[in-house]
Amino acid sequence: DTGVSQNPRHKITKRGQNVTFRCDPISEHNRLYWYRQTLGQGPEFLTYFQNEAQLEKSRLLSDRFSAERPKGSFSTLEIQRTEQGDSAMYLCASSFEGGRADTQYFGPGTRLTVL
Amino acid sequence: GENVGLHLPTLSVQEGDNSIINCAYSNSASDYFIWYKQESGKGPQFIIDIRSNMDKRQGQRVTVLLNKTVKHLSLQIAATQPGDSAVYFCAENMGHFGNEKLTFGTGTRLTIIP
Repeated sequence: DTGVSQNPRHKITKRGQNVTFRCDPISEHNRLYWYRQTLGQGPEFLTYFQNEAQLEKSRLLSDRFSAERPKGSFSTLEIQRTEQGDSAMYLCASSFEGGRADTQYFGPGTRLTVL
Repeated sequence: GENVGLHLPTLSVQEGDNSIINCAYSNSASDYFIWYKQESGKGPQFIIDIRSNMDKRQGQRVTVLLNKTVKHLSLQIAATQPGDSAVYFCAENMGHFGNEKLTFGTGTRLTIIP
């Protein structure tokens, strides 16, 4: 394992459906982050975990969004009752706490299109 | 909240020339800055980082300069190659002072002209 992996890479869904994305971080990275990126913009922070604990959530993360990291390894991001405004690239990153800085390494992203 | 911003949205450079991408930040409490490269359809790729106790850091063909007085960050790419064409983002966070999230700017699209 040489990097962060995300599945699926693309997801097309109809408005109102639920979707779930998975992120597998770099082995031994204890921090995992979710970001959202819309076209022409930089990534925006959604939430992050240290091990199993979800330590911070952005106001962007409405109650339709939920993220979990049950065993402190992979994480899932679920969006319920999707809306067209949820269409974006969902990026996952991981880092190792400690050392001089927690460099975040990103996965390839999951592109969500809500019709 | 405070934002990281970029001066120029696009930049075209002749292959082989050097390029400079600039970034302004406004959070004086930030102590860690990172440059990422993002190619179309891919996630951001780490290029180089710098902490606030440094003014300059060099990597392979890249140099990051930090001017805390004017809250300015720049990325210099030497001898540009076609593979350098991408969108470049600067990002900041407060490192070990808390606030682990990265705050990104909108990016600069660098195009290398063959």
